[in-house]
Amino acid sequence: QKEVEQNSGPLSVPEGAIASLNCTYSDRVSQSFFWYRQYSGKSPELIMSIYSNGDKEDGRFTAQLNKASQYVSLLIRDSQPSDSATYLCAVNELSYDKVIFGPGTSLSVIP
Amino acid sequence: DADVTQTPRNRITKTGKRIMLECSQTKGHDRMYWYRQDPGLGLRLIYYSFDVKDINKGEISDGYSVSRQAQAKFSLSLESAIPNQTALYFCATVGQGTDTQYFGPGTRLTVL
Repeated sequence: QKEVEQNSGPLSVPEGAIASLNCTYSDRVSQSFFWYRQYSGKSPELIMSIYSNGDKEDGRFTAQLNKASQYVSLLIRDSQPSDSATYLCAVNELSYDKVIFGPGTSLSVIP
Repeated sequence: DADVTQTPRNRITKTGKRIMLECSQTKGHDRMYWYRQDPGLGLRLIYYSFDVKDINKGEISDGYSVSRQAQAKFSLSLESAIPNQTALYFCATVGQGTDTQYFGPGTRLTVL
């Protein structure tokens, strides 16, 4: 059974700090990696995708991928209260037809 | 108007009843998915479809069936609902050549 694991949290950070969210996956042949944000009572929305080892930056968000360690992370710089949400890590199987989602990490940014 | 819509948004039903959840999309995407979300378990795949003639089971298909009536419509049925099917259900679509999932607003289903 392929798995994607995340710390469930809640993770609390003060406003302006860096929030670090982590994810590990079990399938070594996974090719695509995603971070979705889900506000309470809403549907998930994609915030970052990453395909190669290293860092990918988009505004205040940085995704980091290490395929050798089967590890992907999301850093949120200058965290804002509006970043308070559940962050879902997702990993695409080699066949590219479906993804496996982790359980999500709840982030709370304290003003 | 929303690109991916789901009906109903909320539904309360009784054990043993048949219920259908509907998903429609205007994005022109071929791939459509049904997930359920439970607290602490994340999103789990129920069924997915690449076109009207291609339907596949996900990891938790038991107790569910689907119908792809057209490229734009993908319905999920619970033939005989049971309380442990109480969950939040999401439909999602993916366009050809991409891998971003676009989710509908969700259907909150309660089985008493």
